[in-house]
This record gives sequence, C-alpha cells and structure tokens, in this order.
Amino acid sequence: DQQVKQNSPSLSVQEGRISILNCDYTNSMFDYFLWYKKYPAEGPTFLISISSIKDKNEDGRFTVFLNKSAKHLSLHIVPSQPGDSAVYFCAAPDNAGGTSYGKLTFGQGTILTVHP
Amino acid sequence: ETGVTQSPTHLIKTRGQQVTLRCSSQSGHNTVSWYQQALGQGPQFIFQYYREEENGRGNFPPRFSGLQFPNYSSELNVNALELDDSALYLCASSARLAGSYNEQFFGPGTRLTVL
Repeated sequence: DQQVKQNSPSLSVQEGRISILNCDYTNSMFDYFLWYKKYPAEGPTFLISISSIKDKNEDGRFTVFLNKSAKHLSLHIVPSQPGDSAVYFCAAPDNAGGTSYGKLTFGQGTILTVHP
Repeated sequence: ETGVTQSPTHLIKTRGQQVTLRCSSQSGHNTVSWYQQALGQGPQFIFQYYREEENGRGNFPPRFSGLQFPNYSSELNVNALELDDSALYLCASSARLAGSYNEQFFGPGTRLTVL
C-alpha cells in the first residue's frame, strides 16, 4: 500500500527554468508534509515542509503547494540551478504505533537533472 | 555539532549470514529511526528506538532487530540475510517532543550487498 506516490521517476529541465515535482498521497490522516533532497553517497536532507492548515509555503527558490481536496502536493524550484540536480522525496510523518510522528512515509523519489 | 554518522559505509555479505550496522545520533538527540532504501525506491521505515526501547515498527520481519544504547547510539541487526536485503540502510536521529513532528536528520547510510 503506497500511501505516498511520486509518479514521475525523473525530470529534466534547463538551468533558469522552473522545476515542478509532484506527489500524491492517499492517507487523509497525514497533516504535515516534507520534501527531502538526496545527493549520491549522502543521506536525505530536509528541504521544505508544509502543514495541512496551509496551502503554500515558500523558502527562497523553493515553494511547496498543498491541495488537500486532491491529496496532492508539488514542489516548485525557480529558477532551477545545476546544483539542484538530486533525488527529491516527498514524505509524510504519522503517529502509527505510537512513534509520535517518528515514522516517515516516503514516496519513491524523482530524479531531477538541471542542465546548464 | 556532530551530525549523524553510520558505519560501515559499505558491506558485502552472503545469504544466510548476519550483519550489524551502527549509527551515532546527532548531539542532543534521543531518538533513532532506521530505514531501508532499496534501489529506485524511497526509504521504508524499519523501526524507531526511544529511551533504549523499540517504539514503533514498520512492516519488517523479526529477523530485523535493533538496540539503542544509553548514549543514544544504535545498532541494526539483520539475521539470516536474504538477497532482497540488499539496500541502503539509513539511520535518522531526532529530539523527540510528544505530539508533534520532530525533524529527523539522516546519516549517509550503509550500503549492504547480499550475494
């Protein structure tokens, strides 16, 4: 049961253009969402998050949009830079089994390549 | 401030063997979570340790077990290794506060190959 899905395995964009990464979820109990970025040989690093009480959160070049009715979120990167090339994961924490939101459910990831 | 460290970086085992992976949590963090990331997939939650006890478990068989020590470092043990156990194993630490999401900081992972 894939509760968080990223249906695009890869995305290629030109430097300076917008990158849009998409994520869908099925568990209506999720109330907080995160995006992680992962470079090869490194662990995932936190990028940006959004609470379900908001529909948008912005941090510099990164903006996350949340559409609760569609159970869909997206990450926009503007402008895209070659250093943004990485694997991007969306994730949602839940309180399953009493982990106090310690369990993160991840999507499969999207490989973003930004060409100079 | 020291981040999350994991050892070893890479490991090759054969089917049926046992393996122990280690994780040192970030300073000030009392909770450790372990994840398995198979090739082309997102990380999958294995279990979490808090105050030296397992505190939540994902859909993994009992041959996956762990420990947390008084200094909050942790071990992941896998018995009777199977080919499908080949994956990147990630450790994440956090400072647990009840009732809210506590940001998890990930280590670089241990790449396990089972032949």
